[in-house]
Amino acid sequence: NAGVMQNPRHLVRRRGQEARLRCSPMKGHSHVYWYRQLPEEGLKFMVYLQKENIIDESGMPKERFSAEFPKEGPSILRIQQVVRGDSAAYFCASSPRQSTGELFFGEGSRLTVL
Amino acid sequence: AQKVTQAQTEISVVEKEDVTLDCVYETRDTTYYLFWYKQPPSGELVFLIRRNSFDEQNEISGRYSWNFQKSTSSFNFTITASQVVDSAVYFCALSPGNQGGKLIFGQGTELSVKP
Repeated sequence: NAGVMQNPRHLVRRRGQEARLRCSPMKGHSHVYWYRQLPEEGLKFMVYLQKENIIDESGMPKERFSAEFPKEGPSILRIQQVVRGDSAAYFCASSPRQSTGELFFGEGSRLTVL
Repeated sequence: AQKVTQAQTEISVVEKEDVTLDCVYETRDTTYYLFWYKQPPSGELVFLIRRNSFDEQNEISGRYSWNFQKSTSSFNFTITASQVVDSAVYFCALSPGNQGGKLIFGQGTELSVKP
């Protein structure tokens, strides 16, 4: 499968635990975007990364959330001390260059916080 | 303000009917891009089309067609002769200026096509 791979597909955490979501972009893609889909809300942009750099994190909550895209390995979205309001589907998308909006999305990681 | 509105939350049609999904956008940028994405039950979003703000030509791709009207800030999507496989959530999105992959999505329209 040469598409965007996200794992885990489903993650259950208790309040206060940490959640780590991983995204492997399509082969040859060096630009990664994270979006969040909350219940009753549309998809919201969170962060845009290139290899080893955060380009735009204007959609990231100021606390507990962080993202990285190391030189080697997948992009990681990390949520510390999760709360029930973090329950959502988190989508990763990639593009081969700075995108004009045509993004290739993964199937999402669904986080449930108990 | 940048905003995309999809007023239709859910639409249900019978196979072979034509269906139009509405999308209205707001932006002050003169250069922007509009998109439609499809989210089937498997979850991933699939890119359907991109239009830039300077190209108001309508586009047809098989059973899909798009009508872009700057005068009404609308970018509507029509599926002709719908099929069960068209059942999905459809999202309209806006990318202002040079924002690239930073898309502003509408709430989505869930289309159900019944046999």
